[in-house]
Amino acid sequence: AQKVTQAQTEISVVEKEDVTLDCVYETRDTTYYLFWYKQPPSGELVFLIRRNSFDEQNEISGRYSWNFQKSTSSFNFTITASQVVDSAVYFCALSEGVKTSYDKVIFGPGTSLSVIP
Amino acid sequence: DAGVTQSPTHLIKTRGQQVTLRCSPKSGHDTVSWYQQALGQGPQFIFQYYEEEERQRGNFPDRFSGHQFPNYSSELNVNALLLGDSALYLCASSLGVFGGPAGYTFGSGTRLTVV
Repeated sequence: AQKVTQAQTEISVVEKEDVTLDCVYETRDTTYYLFWYKQPPSGELVFLIRRNSFDEQNEISGRYSWNFQKSTSSFNFTITASQVVDSAVYFCALSEGVKTSYDKVIFGPGTSLSVIP
Repeated sequence: DAGVTQSPTHLIKTRGQQVTLRCSPKSGHDTVSWYQQALGQGPQFIFQYYEEEERQRGNFPDRFSGHQFPNYSSELNVNALLLGDSALYLCASSLGVFGGPAGYTFGSGTRLTVV
């Protein structure tokens, strides 16, 4: 069965600190996609990144970076020099539908990040 | 370019009633997926529509049904509402269903409260 775990329910950091959000996933498939989404107070889920299971290269986009390690089934997300605008709930998600015609995205429970000025 | 539009924004219904939620996908998208997000939890997949057919379904009872129209817009219907159906209902659109999503575009959701 597929499952996404985000052990950190809530995190508070002071502005300009670095913060890492953890994500551990379970899947029987060898081919899958992993995602991170951001949900600000407005409620709309904002797509941040997609990574397929064959690409373990770390990725950096501005202040955001992602560390994908298949050996530990983890896909962690780091925000460098956090800002108040980063305050939101962040969801890690998994899709196993790569081989089929249809896709279904399974979300983790989310981590609520508060960045304090 | 309009993103995903959902209506209504908020809704209050009485237990046992029926409700219809609506979604217009992002321009150029033809696939619509619906998610239920209870307070403090991650979104749960309800079902996905492509070519006016339900293609995949999550673990939701038959009280949850949907429809997709020729213009790709979609409706989510919930019958015999329960208090536990209170949640944020999110609609996501994408282009096609092959090869996995390149990142769904989500709407802001409909907040349903059942009293």
